[in-house]
Amino acid sequence: EGQLVESGGDLVQPGGSLRLSCAASGFTFSNFWLNWVRQAPGKGLEWVANINQDGSLKFYVDSVKGRFTISRDNAKNSLYLQMNSLRAEDTAVYYCGRWNFALDMWGQGTMVTVSS
Amino acid sequence: DIVLTQSPGTLSLSPGERATLSCRASQSVRNNYVAWYQQKPGQAPRVLIYDASSRAPGIPARFSGSGSGTDFALTISRLEPEDFAVYYCQQSGTSLYTFGQGTKLEI
Repeated sequence: EGQLVESGGDLVQPGGSLRLSCAASGFTFSNFWLNWVRQAPGKGLEWVANINQDGSLKFYVDSVKGRFTISRDNAKNSLYLQMNSLRAEDTAVYYCGRWNFALDMWGQGTMVTVSS
Repeated sequence: DIVLTQSPGTLSLSPGERATLSCRASQSVRNNYVAWYQQKPGQAPRVLIYDASSRAPGIPARFSGSGSGTDFALTISRLEPEDFAVYYCQQSGTSLYTFGQGTKLEI
């Protein structure tokens, strides 16, 4: 069936950087668009970014443009989110998700806390 | 960006009743690319419906989606105890995807 496993979440100071990873297994990773979705504590879901199969197309929600970079390594079956200039409002659980007509596979999430 | 507005914010019903959740888009969603997700506390969301009315694999038949253009709905025909959760709609008709703010379905 396959799975996605996020890692890299941590406590970071405002203005700091963090790199999230998402390791995929059990499916042909290079065939799918991949996404990052976040959820602030007690709040709803927010789509953050996505990337196409070969990494040539990337889209971002306006609030992270210029600060976050999505990337992937198909040889390693891995998705990444480089987060720079972090703000308190970036505090959330970050999920990676596979796109197959919808987000049909999700990881368990990794917590990012931005606080001094 | 397309803004999705879900209503009601909270829906209080009992097992066996019918639930209808609404999702309204600020502009027409291309090809009705709307999905619905269910999220339970401490869990990742799971997809129920895609392309407005197609049920995802393994989803019970009591879940159905409908709508087109700017107005979409998720219907649960007879509520089971495990259906009490938060539900989100999402559009993928533009390059920038968006979610609705969610509807909490409570007993």
